[in-house]
Amino acid sequence: AQKVTQAQTEISVVEKEDVTLDCVYETRDTTYYLFWYKQPPSGELVFLIRRNSFDEQNEISGRYSWNFQKSTSSFNFTITASQVVDSAVYFCALSDSFGNEKLTFGTGTRLTIIP
Amino acid sequence: GAVVSQHPSRVICKSGTSVKIECRSLDFQATTMFWYRQFPKQSLMLMATSNEGSKATYEQGVEKDKFLINHASLTLSTLTVTSAHPEDSSFYICSARTGGPGKETQYFGPGTRLLVL
Repeated sequence: AQKVTQAQTEISVVEKEDVTLDCVYETRDTTYYLFWYKQPPSGELVFLIRRNSFDEQNEISGRYSWNFQKSTSSFNFTITASQVVDSAVYFCALSDSFGNEKLTFGTGTRLTIIP
Repeated sequence: GAVVSQHPSRVICKSGTSVKIECRSLDFQATTMFWYRQFPKQSLMLMATSNEGSKATYEQGVEKDKFLINHASLTLSTLTVTSAHPEDSSFYICSARTGGPGKETQYFGPGTRLLVL
């Protein structure tokens, strides 16, 4: 069975600080996909990134970066120079590569950026 | 691209009534859509997988007769909560899957807040 653990329930940082959201996953599949979604107070889930299990290159997109470490089954997300608009709940998710690719979500991390 | 809409965004109904929620992929076709339920401050729980032209696949513990899903076209899936009760009050979110082989990604709708009185 697949499992995603986001140990940090809530994080608060002062604006402009960097913050890292942790994600640890479990799967028996050799091919799988990892995702991060952002859920602002409005409720809509916003897609941030998709990473397949064969691609361990770290990725940077503006102030966002992701560190995929297969050896530790982790897919951590870092926001650099945080802004108030980054305040949201962030979900890490895992899917397999077969069948209907159902997503298994972590419990989410509520990030609050303090002005 | 990859925009998914849901209607209505909020609904309040009396206990015993049925409520229909629509999920539409606006700029792409989706053979597969998913329905999730989210309780306050909790994660998303997959309820069912909706496949165009065939019966939905429900997750364990989800009542098929209570949560009717119809995926009538490549851009529309509906979830009907039949004989709703207060415990059905929740945030319901749909997603539609797009992307070529090996690149499938789920894009989510804005969600529907259901309150059953």
